[in-house]
Amino acid sequence: DIVMTQSPDSLAVSLGERATINCKSSQSVLYNSNNKNYLAWYQQKPGQPPKLLIYWASTRESGVPDRFSGSGSGTDFTLTISSLQAEDVATYYCQQYYNTPYTFGQGTKLEIK
Amino acid sequence: EVQLVESGGGLVKPGGSLRLSCEASGFTFSTYTMNWVRQAPGKGLEWVSVISSGSTYIHYADSVKGRFTISRDNAKNSLYLQMNSLRAEDTAVYYCARDRSGDDIPDYWGQGTLVTVSS
Repeated sequence: DIVMTQSPDSLAVSLGERATINCKSSQSVLYNSNNKNYLAWYQQKPGQPPKLLIYWASTRESGVPDRFSGSGSGTDFTLTISSLQAEDVATYYCQQYYNTPYTFGQGTKLEIK
Repeated sequence: EVQLVESGGGLVKPGGSLRLSCEASGFTFSTYTMNWVRQAPGKGLEWVSVISSGSTYIHYADSVKGRFTISRDNAKNSLYLQMNSLRAEDTAVYYCARDRSGDDIPDYWGQGTLVTVSS
């Protein structure tokens, strides 16, 4: 199984500042035949289901604000929120869909400093 | 509007069984791959199972293999999860989630149904 490890576990950032969350996979999730990274990012607020933010490591889902961006390739990935807003307080998860079992990172809880 | 509504959760004793349902609307259910994902109280997300549109592709997490069975009825726009030999560690909110068309990426999720396994 591919193990996904996020860092940090929790993060406190001031409003308007940048937030960066990292995700590392135990093996590459880059599929060479199509040069795509099988990596997604989700946002989950308390009491709500997860919401898809980013897929293919860097493609923003429709309707997601452009302050959210994803980067990275192979085994190392980053979710960046360029200017933190109050509504971004949530737990963020990365997920690999390269092969089954599809695995999630343990989550990063983002709070306002 | 895409809607996924789970039902069937509840309190069950260890060793017992439960069948979850997910009713889909707002899209052509029969053409989409579907998943079950669970979340134990206060914990992270755990993918449970996936089934392709025609039920030809089915996979399970090792933690539920041999105990859980995923199925679907495209005529009823419904997804199911039959859970047998339930354990305390199966206690979680169970979400059904639709994959993006042509991709293995859950893009729409239901609100979830809580399963509690306790004596």
